[in-house]
Amino acid sequence: GAGVSQSPSNKVTEKGKDVELRCDPISGHTALYWYRQSLGQGLEFLIYFQGNSAPDKSGLPSDRFSAERTGGSVSTLTIQRTQQEDSAVYLCASSLVIRGPRTDTQYFGPGTRLTVL
Amino acid sequence: GNSVTQMEGPVTLSEEAFLTINCTYTATGYPSLFWYVQYPGEGLQLLLKATKADDKGSNKGFEATYRKETTSFHLEKGSVQVSDSAVYFCALVALSGGTSYGKLTFGQGTILTVHP
Repeated sequence: GAGVSQSPSNKVTEKGKDVELRCDPISGHTALYWYRQSLGQGLEFLIYFQGNSAPDKSGLPSDRFSAERTGGSVSTLTIQRTQQEDSAVYLCASSLVIRGPRTDTQYFGPGTRLTVL
Repeated sequence: GNSVTQMEGPVTLSEEAFLTINCTYTATGYPSLFWYVQYPGEGLQLLLKATKADDKGSNKGFEATYRKETTSFHLEKGSVQVSDSAVYFCALVALSGGTSYGKLTFGQGTILTVHP
């Protein structure tokens, strides 16, 4: 019954460190999306999962970014060697694939605010 | 490519005033259109949507009509309340070039502040 949850809610890290951000989608939702919300770029798409597969990773900003999804549920977004420009709010969304991708509602989590010092 | 342009904010109104937030789009393929709202300290929530031309989405007194001829999806509300203060995002999903999933393309967001 719970919505999309993300952890941690806030993460402060030093430049060069690796971070992992977690997303728990709504139970039964097979589609999962990662977006990033930053002052300079607005809201931008990063990656999409259908089940455990990621058909399109083209939104990931660099090869320092990677994501995986296991068991068709939890997803982890990993940023290696963080840079200051990675500071942003990372949002996860999930949807239950019913009528089709144009109409399925995406439900968003509260986000993880990442600050790279 | 796909893009969404929203009117620049911030928008400041008095309670019970009429609200319009303009949104226009460009898209390859046939898009569905959405308005999302982000209340202070909360996540993005779907406010309303429309999936074909001339459809009107409505929720909580807000309305938006899918205008294909003007590629627009303007958000309106006849009488705003203080509790409507939030950031509003126009967005679209367009399937094209083999894309088979609902990637959202967002506008830059419009901050709305309503004073008593």
